[in-house]
Amino acid sequence: QKEVEQNSGPLSVPEGAIASLNCTYSDRVSQSFFWYRQYSGKSPELIMSIYSNGDKEDGRFTAQLNKASQYVSLLIRDSQPSDSATYLCAVIIGGTSYGKLTFGQGTILTVHP
Amino acid sequence: DAGVIQSPRHEVTEMGQEVTLRCKPISGHNSLFWYRQTMMRGLELLIYFNNNVPIDDSGMPEDRFSAKMPNASFSTLKIQPSEPRDSAVYFCASTERTELFFGSGTQLSVL
Repeated sequence: QKEVEQNSGPLSVPEGAIASLNCTYSDRVSQSFFWYRQYSGKSPELIMSIYSNGDKEDGRFTAQLNKASQYVSLLIRDSQPSDSATYLCAVIIGGTSYGKLTFGQGTILTVHP
Repeated sequence: DAGVIQSPRHEVTEMGQEVTLRCKPISGHNSLFWYRQTMMRGLELLIYFNNNVPIDDSGMPEDRFSAKMPNASFSTLKIQPSEPRDSAVYFCASTERTELFFGSGTQLSVL
């Protein structure tokens, strides 16, 4: 089992719709979870971090964490063509709050006008 | 701050040659990571340093790969000898705590 797995995608949504990206992780003691966005040919950039169960909202983005199910998701409301990118789920493996950040394979999102 | 600086941006070399990738982390960041990204394997952690000390090098694929961090402002990743399967984008990233800041990457092509 991979340490961090994402829904394979690619995901295509119309402009204005909600895009839902999902991720599961294998290490039950992990405490820190992140979503990165990577545009084609560019480096990853952090868009959300979440550490506690529940929802965390930042503008059009909402991260959701369920530690019991070892599941983290990212919702993008009112999707825009500029949101088209690869979204990477990342988890700090182990019980520390810093250290070995492991990434999922990524989900390619396309928002079409 | 200029961010994480990597050099070169592109490197084309022949199989068997030595390749050295360089990274300057953001000033004040105490952890530095080297990642490799390919279509097949995604973003893989190769090694990370904390306060210039290698903490976890379990991702380094083979003895052909080595990494050093002689001081807080400089790190190198060396491949000797290089092979075509080493072709990938190599990213360096640094952090003060949890948020990683990535460099622009080095696109390595081994012919």
